[in-house]
Amino acid sequence: AQKITQTQPGMFVQEKEAVTLDCTYDTSDQSYGLFWYKQPSSGEMIFLIYQGSYDEQNATEGRYSLNFQKARKSANLVISASQLGDSAMYFCAMREGPQAGGTSYGKLTFGQGTILTVHP
Amino acid sequence: EAQVTQNPRYLITVTGKKLTVTCSQNMNHEYMSWYRQDPGLGLRQIYYSMNVEVTDKGDVPEGYKVSRKEKRNFPLILESPSPNQTSLYFCASSLWTGDETQYFGPGTRLLVL
Repeated sequence: AQKITQTQPGMFVQEKEAVTLDCTYDTSDQSYGLFWYKQPSSGEMIFLIYQGSYDEQNATEGRYSLNFQKARKSANLVISASQLGDSAMYFCAMREGPQAGGTSYGKLTFGQGTILTVHP
Repeated sequence: EAQVTQNPRYLITVTGKKLTVTCSQNMNHEYMSWYRQDPGLGLRQIYYSMNVEVTDKGDVPEGYKVSRKEKRNFPLILESPSPNQTSLYFCASSLWTGDETQYFGPGTRLLVL
């Protein structure tokens, strides 16, 4: 069974500084996808960034980058130049990849989340 | 506008009274999924569907039913709700099962008394 662990219940960062949110995962699959989502206080879920297990380069989307270390099974989110609007809950998630004969393709597992607070 | 809609957004009900939360997407997505969000537990997948008439259990399917008779709709049914099903529920969809982007609905807050 796959598992996602976010060990930081809360993080604080000064505006304009960079922050790293940790995510480790556990899976026996060779093919999988890793995601980060943002949930502001308004409650909606916003997709931020995706990394495939076979992607050789770390994913980047604007101020977001994913520090993917496959051997260590970590997929940390790096937010550069933090803004006040980045204050939110952040979730790491993993989707199992297709497997021959497998039935769990399509399952998505989320971590417990990290609350990020950006101070002015 | 491309979106995932859920109804109702808020619902208070009593134990045992059957209810349905609707989910609809207008993006012709193949993959749809239901999650519940509880404090300290993150989001947990209830059921997902890779296409019409194809559904499968997520991590917490007990007490829930789903159906996928049309591509755009994926209702979540609670046949006999109990207080431990009080939660925030999200529906999500993506173009196909392996698509990297999931679009989430606005959420449904359910309170079962």
